[in-house]
Amino acid sequence: DAMVIQNPRYQVTQFGKPVTLSCSQTLNHNVMYWYQQKSSQAPKLLFHYYDKDFNNEADTPDNFQSRRPNTSFCFLDIRSPGLGDAAMYLCATSRAGFNEQFFGPGTRLTVL
Amino acid sequence: DAKTTQPPSMDCAEGRAANLPCNHSTISGNEYVYWYRQIHSQGPQYIIHGLKNNETNEMASLIITEDRKSSTLILPHATLRDTAVYYCIVRAGFTSGTYKYIFGTGTRLKVLA
Repeated sequence: DAMVIQNPRYQVTQFGKPVTLSCSQTLNHNVMYWYQQKSSQAPKLLFHYYDKDFNNEADTPDNFQSRRPNTSFCFLDIRSPGLGDAAMYLCATSRAGFNEQFFGPGTRLTVL
Repeated sequence: DAKTTQPPSMDCAEGRAANLPCNHSTISGNEYVYWYRQIHSQGPQYIIHGLKNNETNEMASLIITEDRKSSTLILPHATLRDTAVYYCIVRAGFTSGTYKYIFGTGTRLKVLA
């Protein structure tokens, strides 16, 4: 089945230690998104890629970066995680101009 | 960008219809309404969307008021597996190749046996 895969499902890191979360998709969608979802809150868009074009949300901290080496993969890099960055990180994909976004299962990040 | 408001929680008896309201009074003419649900510890799952006409699919029905300021998601026969957080989303303007979602605060639906 075509899908959005996120690895790992659970990630523990230390305060200030860089961490990378990964997302892959078999849907061949040209748009990929990263959302942050803190406990009991709605998902909040961090940024998205349209093909190789990176689009950052205005209020996304500089601590968050992303890479998309090819259509299938997208990475979220947190350069110096703080305790406030503990959250579920969701990857989603869509076809440009189409309606539905397809979400992965998320990676739950814990910062110690 | 339009925002949505939803009740924080609702209960529904198993087998009964679940009616989940959403207010989007500032929605503009070309903004769609989407509904997603999120079962605990999973990613959001698409349910249905609409612009101004009522819509129905195998999962649910979406009723949008004529003035488009509010909508209701209807799960016709709720089951225990429908227990989830339901998000009403306005699809905002087209930018950089895609439409952005503005998530509402969500309604936590609990289906009771």
